[in-house]
Amino acid sequence: AQSVSQHNHHVILSEAASLELGCNYSYGGTVNLFWYVQYPGQHLQLLLKYFSGDPLVKGIKGFEAEFIKSKFSFNLRKPSVQWSDTAEYFCAVNGYYKLSFGAGTTVTVRA
Amino acid sequence: GAVVSQHPSRVICKSGTSVKIECRSLDFQATTMFWYRQFPKQSLMLMATSNEGSKATYEQGVEKDKFLINHASLTLSTLTVTSAHPEDSSFYICSASLSSGSYNEQFFGPGTRLTVL
Repeated sequence: AQSVSQHNHHVILSEAASLELGCNYSYGGTVNLFWYVQYPGQHLQLLLKYFSGDPLVKGIKGFEAEFIKSKFSFNLRKPSVQWSDTAEYFCAVNGYYKLSFGAGTTVTVRA
Repeated sequence: GAVVSQHPSRVICKSGTSVKIECRSLDFQATTMFWYRQFPKQSLMLMATSNEGSKATYEQGVEKDKFLINHASLTLSTLTVTSAHPEDSSFYICSASLSSGSYNEQFFGPGTRLTVL
């Protein structure tokens, strides 16, 4: 079975601070990796995804994530957050036949 | 991008009644649709996968007679919670994919908040 673990439940930071959200997964085979964001009152949206190739993936809104196979990790980063980045962030993995989500990390950016 | 809608966004019902939730892909044809359930402060849990014109595939522990899924067309899937009880209260989210296989990008609906009294 596959599982996803997100390290932080709630992160609070100030504008212009750097953000890194941890994500680890457990699955022995080839995986596809995703980060989704859910802004308050809105749908889940895809931030970025990794299928193959360059393990450093760039997504929308200045986000990027790095796949480190040896560590089973896919951490999300943004060098300088804005107030509008306040949202819930979900890491998801597809290694078997379904998409498995982490519990999510609430990010609150203070102006 | 592709848009998925759900209706209703919020429903309150009495225990023992049935509730139907619709999931529509508005600007694309969805070969596969997925139904998830989300408890407060927890992740989305896949309930079932449905392909147009065939029976849904349910995850282990999900009662197929309790959660009836119909995917009659390439733009519509419905989830019916039969004989709902308070423990069925939850946030139900659907997603749709252009092709079969969840490795393809899924587009998510806004969710339906079900409260069973």
